[in-house]
Amino acid sequence: EVQLVESGGGLVQPGRSLKLSCLASGFTFSNYGMNWIRQAPGKGLEWVASISSSSSYIYYADTVKGRFTISRDNAKNTLYLQMTSLRSEDTALYYCARRPYRYNYFDYWGQGVMVTVSS
Amino acid sequence: EIVLTQSPTTMAASPGEKVTITCRASSSVSYMHWYQQKPGASPKPWIYDTSKLASGVPNRFSGSGSGTSYSLTISSMETEDTATYYCQQWSSNSWTFGGGTKLELK
Repeated sequence: EVQLVESGGGLVQPGRSLKLSCLASGFTFSNYGMNWIRQAPGKGLEWVASISSSSSYIYYADTVKGRFTISRDNAKNTLYLQMTSLRSEDTALYYCARRPYRYNYFDYWGQGVMVTVSS
Repeated sequence: EIVLTQSPTTMAASPGEKVTITCRASSSVSYMHWYQQKPGASPKPWIYDTSKLASGVPNRFSGSGSGTSYSLTISSMETEDTATYYCQQWSSNSWTFGGGTKLELK
């Protein structure tokens, strides 16, 4: 069974940093592109960042470019999102999601981890 | 960045009623994907590559469209279909979602 379990969220002050993790199981992690997608409270979905299976290709939404860094450790089956210079508008539930090979949608999602940016 | 506009934003349908949700793209896209999200739950893939049903999705759902106009249709509304539906596209290494359509039971 495919499982994606996010962790590392919490309350953080504006301007500070936070690192999210997503532990994958039930599939060969190193074969899949992975993504972070967020959802502000009561709002819609926003794609944040994408990383290819071997980390060769990395893309970011304009809203986080230069502040967030996506990475992965295939040996540990773990996806990361390093978030710096956090703003109140980064407050959201952050999901990690798998992208199937040769497709551009997201077939498995984690349960999400909440990040609240507030003083 | 391609912007996706869904309509309507909210709608209510009676059991057995036909439902159509539309997603319009600001530029032409190759495929459209759809997700279903219920309160407190993660989104689920629902329709991918415009018209393919994800695993477990009832065949009363269908997807169609091309270019800048796509739609998700429910042939006969059922209680369990109440949810928010999001469209999503990929273009030029950027993924975007529509704002969502909340479907309620009348």
